[in-house]
Amino acid sequence: GDSVTQMEGPVTLSEEAFLTINCTYTATGYPSLFWYVQYPGEGLQLLLKATKADDKGSNKGFEATYRKETTSFHLEKGSVQVSDSAVYFCALSDLGGSGGYQKVTFGTGTKLQVIP
Amino acid sequence: KAGVTQTPRYLIKTRGQQVTLSCSPISGHRSVSWYQQTPGQGLQFLFEYFSETQRNKGNFPGRFSGRQFSNSRSEMNVSTLELGDSALYLCASSVGQLSSSPGELFFGEGSRLTVL
Repeated sequence: GDSVTQMEGPVTLSEEAFLTINCTYTATGYPSLFWYVQYPGEGLQLLLKATKADDKGSNKGFEATYRKETTSFHLEKGSVQVSDSAVYFCALSDLGGSGGYQKVTFGTGTKLQVIP
Repeated sequence: KAGVTQTPRYLIKTRGQQVTLSCSPISGHRSVSWYQQTPGQGLQFLFEYFSETQRNKGNFPGRFSGRQFSNSRSEMNVSTLELGDSALYLCASSVGQLSSSPGELFFGEGSRLTVL
């Protein structure tokens, strides 16, 4: 079945440091890939997505490129801020059941703490 | 457009009781998914409903059940509560069809259940 593996946290960085959170996936079809973010006390919200190989998703200074050859979708940001402190989830969407709908599979989440 | 609304936001129950949580999806969304989030297990998929039918189910005991109404609103019920059921229960809605934003989920803020 489909699976998503992301790096264990927590990740602690100083403000303005470079961020990478690794994510690799296993899927039987041609999935879409996502990064969701969960700020303290809130639900998850979509951060960025990529629907096919070599696509780059970007939002709020975060980027991730869909690498089919390495089955990866690593999240990067050049300069993190304290406000980026949150839990980040990598996810994939693939055909489920008889193929009539999309099934979403989440990674375990990586907690990011940015200190001033 | 109103977001996903979950009620109640917080509740405290005792072992053996039952609880019902409610989720109102974004207008026009026909799919509702439920997740359990705990510090130890991360984000775990409970079930998904589309047009009043359960389309996908996670690996939870039969004490966890759900349903969806004709207006797409969904409820989940947990009977005979155990201490380990203490968690944040998240609801997510989506269009639910292959042709539209595949796999993109919109989450509510969650219902935090504490079992004493």
